[in-house]
Amino acid sequence: KAGVTQTPRYLIKTRGQQVTLSCSPISGHRSVSWYQQTPGQGLQFLFEYFSETQRNKGNFPGRFSGRQFSNSRSEMNVSTLELGDSALYLCASNLLLGGLSEQFFGPGTRLTVL
Amino acid sequence: AQTVTQSQPEMSVQEAETVTLSCTYDTSESDYYLFWYKQPPSRQMILVIRQEAYKQQNATENRFSVNFQKAAKSFSLKISDSQLGDAAMYFCAYSLSGGSNYKLTFGKGTLLTVNP
Repeated sequence: KAGVTQTPRYLIKTRGQQVTLSCSPISGHRSVSWYQQTPGQGLQFLFEYFSETQRNKGNFPGRFSGRQFSNSRSEMNVSTLELGDSALYLCASNLLLGGLSEQFFGPGTRLTVL
Repeated sequence: AQTVTQSQPEMSVQEAETVTLSCTYDTSESDYYLFWYKQPPSRQMILVIRQEAYKQQNATENRFSVNFQKAAKSFSLKISDSQLGDAAMYFCAYSLSGGSNYKLTFGKGTLLTVNP
């Protein structure tokens, strides 16, 4: 079974631009979570989608948004990029199995804002 | 709000020795999960071990075991017979239990170095 796919793996943007990151979860998984990882703040939860609906949201400004498609693929968008948005963005594919939640992480997208 | 604290930014261990990574957390909930994740230099986050708060028995996965002290809100990871492949960043994480709770709250991580 294929793992979690994130594209692109690396991205360089300039301040003020916008960016879209993509995540394809494991086949059959209907929930996707997004996290931002930075050296200063560590790993922070952005949001979670299930069946095209946002179920949970972290404490990030409105410049960060996401969506999920009917095939469970998810995208996150960051508008008006700031230098502080430089980070590794991780996607997790979530599954409830036997009452226990399992989360499988993708390799991440490394975003650099210049 | 729940918080997770890892007080050891870096740890080192000799190959074949045992090392313990510390984690404390704060929550007012009684039912939750605790996790240890490993992030090797390749960056893919991997689940090492999970503990359900309602279980008194400490979880064990091969060379990895935890010491879960619910009253003290402590959740340490013991790695026995350390191997070079164990070198990685280790994150302690918390989530509420329940089917739709996928939000993980992470600690800042502990960088583990394994010396040959």
